[in-house]
Parts: sequence; C-alpha cells; structure tokens
Amino acid sequence: NAGVTQTPKFQVLKTGQSMTLQCAQDMNHEYMSWYRQDPGMGLRLIHYSVGAGITDQGEVPNGYNVSRSTTEDFPLRLLSAAPSQTSVYFCASSPGLAQQETQYFGPGTRLLVL
Amino acid sequence: KQEVTQIPAALSVPEGENLVLNCSFTDSAIYNLQWFRQDPGKGLTSLLLIQSSQREQTSGRLNASLDKSSGRSTLYIAASQPGDSATYLCAARPSGNTGKLIFGQGTTLQVKP
Repeated sequence: NAGVTQTPKFQVLKTGQSMTLQCAQDMNHEYMSWYRQDPGMGLRLIHYSVGAGITDQGEVPNGYNVSRSTTEDFPLRLLSAAPSQTSVYFCASSPGLAQQETQYFGPGTRLLVL
Repeated sequence: KQEVTQIPAALSVPEGENLVLNCSFTDSAIYNLQWFRQDPGKGLTSLLLIQSSQREQTSGRLNASLDKSSGRSTLYIAASQPGDSATYLCAARPSGNTGKLIFGQGTTLQVKP
C-alpha cells in the first residue's frame, strides 16, 4: 500500500489564483480530512469527510472547498488564493471513527502564496 | 473548548537517556489521544494511540500513558538514540463524530551522540 499520498509537494501561487491540492489513499478508508500547519498555531482542521459523497467543515474552512466523489480521493480546492493561505497542508485518513482507529497522515504540500 | 499544551517546546538530551514528554489537555471528555512524530519537512507518523478507557500503550522503547482525571498524557522514551530526534506531537480527539484532532504545539527533541 502507498498509504496517503499528496500532490504536489510544493507549489507557489500568486494572489487570486486557484488550485487543487490532491490527496489519495489506497487503504479503503472511509474517513478523510485536511489540516493546515502554521508556526505558532499547530495543526487545524479545514474540512473532513466520513465517506464518499459526504463532507463537512472543520475549524478553518473559509477559502477552501472539498468534494468526495470516490472513497480514494479527497481534493482540496483553493478558490482564490490569499497570502494568509501560505501553509503546509496535510491530508489524513482512517478506517472510520471508532475509538481505536488511528489517523494516518500524508507527506504534506507546502504552499506559498505571493 | 479543548486546548492541548506541550511543555517543554524543546528538549536536548545525551544519547542513552530515558526521557518523558508531557502533554496536557483542558477537557477530560476525550475519545482518544494520539502521539505522533514529525521529522523536518515531513508528514506525521503515528506512534501510539490510547483510547479513553485505557491507561497506557507500549510500542518498543515507547510508552504512552493517559490520566483523564488530571488532563495529562506522557510519552516515555527509553534509552534515547540520535534517530529519535524529531518533533513529537500529541493530539486529543474530542467525543463526537467529526474525527477532529486537537494538536499541541509539539516538543522538539534533540538526542546528542
């Protein structure tokens, strides 16, 4: 298994541009989520999905959209990039939401918005 | 609102030392608590998960404990090695159906040869 994969690894955007961060997992996990990691703020939940066709907002959803058309993929879309969205983005997945289920994280995408 | 704190922010120890990393949380109504390792420029690797009904979990040289009544978890690393140098993050998962993890700021560990 490749686990949780994310592309691209690094991206530079100009303010106002849009882009999609890709996340895929090959473990047949139902639950997937997106976090951003910022110095002094730690990791914060952006959006999550409990299964194909179901998504919901996390702690910091503004400026981001998600969809979950398949179990494997959970892309994160930036509609109009802003410098405040400069961050490292992590995708995570787990089999479900049972108490004993570990969440597995991808390698991250570093985004710089100029 | 759940808050997770890790102290100290950084720790440097000589190789071979046993050490304890601390994590505290403000709301005892947690579903589970996970410890992660993060290497510079890399993703998070799950080390241990403790369910709310458990007191501790062990994996190799690592032992994590959970005391909900005091709002504390500790990660014990035995016989530390230079390869243990990394940032260690604890994350509390509140009760509920979001799967949301509340992360601490992390403790950056350096183990000197």
